[in-house]
Amino acid sequence: EPEVTQTPSHQVTQMGQEVILRCVPISNHLYFYWYRQILGQKVEFLVSFYNNEISEKSEIFDDQFSVERPDGSNFTLKIRSTKLEDSAMYFCASSDPRDNNYGYTFGSGTRLTVV
Amino acid sequence: AQTVTQSQPEMSVQEAETVTLSCTYDTSESDYYLFWYKQPPSRQMILVIRQEAYKQQNATENRFSVNFQKAAKSFSLKISDSQLGDAAMYFCAYKPGEYGNKLVFGAGTILRVKS
Repeated sequence: EPEVTQTPSHQVTQMGQEVILRCVPISNHLYFYWYRQILGQKVEFLVSFYNNEISEKSEIFDDQFSVERPDGSNFTLKIRSTKLEDSAMYFCASSDPRDNNYGYTFGSGTRLTVV
Repeated sequence: AQTVTQSQPEMSVQEAETVTLSCTYDTSESDYYLFWYKQPPSRQMILVIRQEAYKQQNATENRFSVNFQKAAKSFSLKISDSQLGDAAMYFCAYKPGEYGNKLVFGAGTILRVKS
């Protein structure tokens, strides 16, 4: 079964540093997403991406965040200057236009720890 | 804005017994989809079951079934013959009918299974 792949599985970074979280969505999917889950809390939507541009973003997704699909297969989330409160699990997801009722396929997540 | 409420922070069930997890949602849309996701300690998000709002028949997947009450905006998950591997966090999620819209998650219910 096709998978969404995320790397790294765990990243530790110092406050103020830039991080890039990487995702390889399922190849025939057209919509891509990033979600965030602070430990013990609900899963929160960050951004959706379609046709090489952001289609929707949440209040969390401020100027410190950006997304990119640099080469037609990877989908990245960049945090420019990390804060302690950015520590969370970050999930990438993608969805298939032919299976609208099937929800999304999530990756295994990247655990980001900001120290 | 759509909201999803899971009123049970934690539930326990004896192995082989049945447990029901509650979920209510608020929306003014008539076309939408509802999902239950399982998040084991590995923190991966695994789709358990989905329901299209236009379908009256409740969805079933092996030991998992839902009780979808559209008028009451209620979407509960029943797990029959509970197994130790069912222990996880369970999230209820809502998606509007239009393709590509974000998932809105509830706060989650921790399910503990006792042997």
